[in-house]
Amino acid sequence: RKEVEQDPGPFNVPEGATVAFNCTYSNSASQSFFWYRQDCRKEPKLLMSVYSSGNEDGRFTAQLNRASQYISLLIRDSKLSDSATYLCVEENTGFQKLVFGTGTRLLVSP
Amino acid sequence: ETGVTQSPTHLIKTRGQQVTLRCSSQSGHNTVSWYQQALGQGPQFIFQYYREEENGRGNFPPRFSGLQFPNYSSELNVNALELDDSALYLCASSLDREAFFGQGTRLTVV
Repeated sequence: RKEVEQDPGPFNVPEGATVAFNCTYSNSASQSFFWYRQDCRKEPKLLMSVYSSGNEDGRFTAQLNRASQYISLLIRDSKLSDSATYLCVEENTGFQKLVFGTGTRLLVSP
Repeated sequence: ETGVTQSPTHLIKTRGQQVTLRCSSQSGHNTVSWYQQALGQGPQFIFQYYREEENGRGNFPPRFSGLQFPNYSSELNVNALELDDSALYLCASSLDREAFFGQGTRLTVV
């Protein structure tokens, strides 16, 4: 079983739609979680950290459910520029040793 | 951008050869991590250096080795290249909670 599992998609949504991604992780001792965004042939960039209490940054909301060991990302009012691959990431073996999921591809169309 | 630069950006090598990839960290960042990203996959942790010492290693064979220099720049060396080593190699530098990725080196082994 992979340590971090995501649906690879692609998720095809129209502009303005709300879309949600989930990922599951296997290590119950993992402490920190993140969502990264990766554009085609570019490096990953931190989108947001994920906390148990949930956190929101503009149109983006991230949530961590430790009991069920899953992480979610909600994107509201999708923009064309949101088209990218979203990587679910945990930090489970030490500082900044990141474990990435395979990524979920999002395509937002006009 | 992120302040992390990698060289070269693209490289083609023949199976069995050796390669050295370079990473210049963001100023003051004393931790650098290297990742391998195969096509369609998320990045996989290779190893991390902290203040010139290896500080953790992923599931990669010994022919993957590295160095970190006093100015915190870093090298990834791969010996006896195999076709499966073809991937995007990313370095990430960090000081606090966020990892900043370079643009990557795309290695093709033929």
